[in-house]
Amino acid sequence: DTGVSQDPRHKITKRGQNVTFRCDPISEHNRLYWYRQTLGQGPEFLTYFQNEAQLEKSRLLSDRFSAERPKGSFSTLEIQRTEQGDSAMYLCASSLGTGSTEQYFGPGTRLTVT
Amino acid sequence: GENVEQHPSTLSVQEGDSAVIKCTYSDSASNYFPWYKQELGKRPQLIIDIRSNVGEKKDQRIAVTLNKTAKHFSLHITETQPEDSAVYFCAASLSLSGGSNYKLTFGKGTLLTVNP
Repeated sequence: DTGVSQDPRHKITKRGQNVTFRCDPISEHNRLYWYRQTLGQGPEFLTYFQNEAQLEKSRLLSDRFSAERPKGSFSTLEIQRTEQGDSAMYLCASSLGTGSTEQYFGPGTRLTVT
Repeated sequence: GENVEQHPSTLSVQEGDSAVIKCTYSDSASNYFPWYKQELGKRPQLIIDIRSNVGEKKDQRIAVTLNKTAKHFSLHITETQPEDSAVYFCAASLSLSGGSNYKLTFGKGTLLTVNP
């Protein structure tokens, strides 16, 4: 499968714990996006990278959230001191960048905070 | 920032009928409008998109229309089939020079049910 992949697919954690998710974009895609989707809602933008540079962060991304893309390939999203309100599907998407607008989504990581 | 409104939230049609989903956007600078289909438990998949320099685009049974003046765009599905049942999301984005696009702002989705 050469699409966007995410790991893990499901994560259950207790409130206050830290969690980290990984996203592997489509090879050669230099733009990578993180979105959050809650039940009955459309995906909401969190942050995006152009290669290794994080170019924008949504105000939805509190100080407890941090994202990295150290070598311009895979990305990680870490949530510290999780809260029940963090429960959601975390989606990663990638796009080729210059000359292409299509964003391709991964299967998501479903986070449940108990 | 951009705001996208989508209607209806649910739509039920008989197989073979047409389905229309409508979206409005607030930022006149937005120039790229994709539609995604999301089946239960699966990733959103791009089904069609349109840029602001085009008024209509068709791909087999699916078409999208755009009215820049009114800032609204619509998805039309003809000859619906049970496998069209899914949640459909519209989105708006600013596509930068060179084609690379920016973040997507999504509507809240429309649950389409096609009854056999």
